[in-house]
Amino acid sequence: DIQMTQSPASLSASLGETVTIECRASEDIYNGLAWYQQKPGKSPQLLIYNANSLHTGVPSRFSGSGSGTQYSLKINSLQSEDVASYFCQQYYNYPYTFGAGTKLELK
Amino acid sequence: EVQLVESGGSLVQPGGSLKLSCVASGFTFSNYWMDWVRQTPGKSLEWIGEINTDGSKTNYAPSIKDRFTISRDNAKSTLYLQMSNVKSDDTAIYYCTNVYYGLLLGWFAYWGQGTLVTVSS
Repeated sequence: DIQMTQSPASLSASLGETVTIECRASEDIYNGLAWYQQKPGKSPQLLIYNANSLHTGVPSRFSGSGSGTQYSLKINSLQSEDVASYFCQQYYNYPYTFGAGTKLELK
Repeated sequence: EVQLVESGGSLVQPGGSLKLSCVASGFTFSNYWMDWVRQTPGKSLEWIGEINTDGSKTNYAPSIKDRFTISRDNAKSTLYLQMSNVKSDDTAIYYCTNVYYGLLLGWFAYWGQGTLVTVSS
């Protein structure tokens, strides 16, 4: 199985700040990577697919980048509604696997 | 608006069985592969398996293979997860998702609200 290692596990940031979350795959996943946001008590929601494509309706302050085994999610100008957990997922190979998540809080 | 509504979660004893359902609306159900993903109390996400558009092909995670069965009824726009010989490790919130495919495999475009399965004696 492809292992997905996310960092940091938790993060505290101020409103308006830029935040970056990293995800490292145990092998090359050829941009087969998605990012999800999960707000407290809610189900996960797709943010990014194909490593850098924004899902319909997702604010443009979210962006994804990376290649090979290293990927990142950037949130520009942090808003209060961005408080959530964020997960990466690889879909290069079965079984699909997820990172352990990053919990983002406001400072 | 895409809607996925799961049901059927409950308290079940170890070794028991349970069938989850997911009713879809807002999109052409029969055109999409559908998947089940679960989230454990520790909050990690685990892919369970998927079914193709006409129900003729399934793929499963090795951890649950041979205990869970995914099926669908396109006439009812409904996805199912039959769970058997459940274990305490199966305690989780179970989500159904529809899958969008690109050049590689798929990503989970829309998720239901989830249904809670608790395995305990």
